[in-house]
Amino acid sequence: GAVVSQHPSWVICKSGTSVKIECRSLDFQATTMFWYRQFPKQSLMLMATSNEGSKATYEQGVEKDKFLINHASLTLSTLTVTSAHPEDSSFYICSATSGPASSYNSPLHFGNGTRLTVT
Amino acid sequence: QKEVEQNSGPLSVPEGAIASLNCTYSDRGSQSFFWYRQYSGKSPELIMSIYSNGDKEDGRFTAQLNKASQYVSLLIRDSQPSDSATYLCAVNNDMRFGAGTRLTVKP
Repeated sequence: GAVVSQHPSWVICKSGTSVKIECRSLDFQATTMFWYRQFPKQSLMLMATSNEGSKATYEQGVEKDKFLINHASLTLSTLTVTSAHPEDSSFYICSATSGPASSYNSPLHFGNGTRLTVT
Repeated sequence: QKEVEQNSGPLSVPEGAIASLNCTYSDRGSQSFFWYRQYSGKSPELIMSIYSNGDKEDGRFTAQLNKASQYVSLLIRDSQPSDSATYLCAVNNDMRFGAGTRLTVKP
């Protein structure tokens, strides 16, 4: 149980275009999902917390107008990288918890990640 | 002081040895503890969760929790090259991760 599906697994786009990444909880409802970015040989960096039905909470230094997050249902959150540039090339990972956001007992379940390359 | 600290490694052990990964935390009221494994180029996956003091065993993996000393450990017995990965410790489902501990198991 507790499967998170992320799509696409990889994408190549041209500079200046936008890319949408989907994150779905397949067998549970996820009130809260999290988006991460990871550059090669670096740590996972939390970008934002996605809350169903409300605006996402972005980490300091993450541009909310560039990384648009929509969490329209309890099973789907999307991250859109707008006007992508080569420096946005990275590994983007989503995660979700199967318990209430306030619960400490539920682990994070991760999607398989999306490797974005901007040319 | 960071809320959660791991021995930064890298840690290298020979195949068949016991790998010991340690994590300390500052919030004495922490209730839940998780170990994730991340292979290079892949996303993290949950390998162990522990909520009570003592040991919890799952196959070759043992999580040890000591709330009085505020540390949680992960022991990997009979380490295999396939265990080579970065291991991430998380406390109370904190969604922010540190660098983790990079483990290499040498054949």
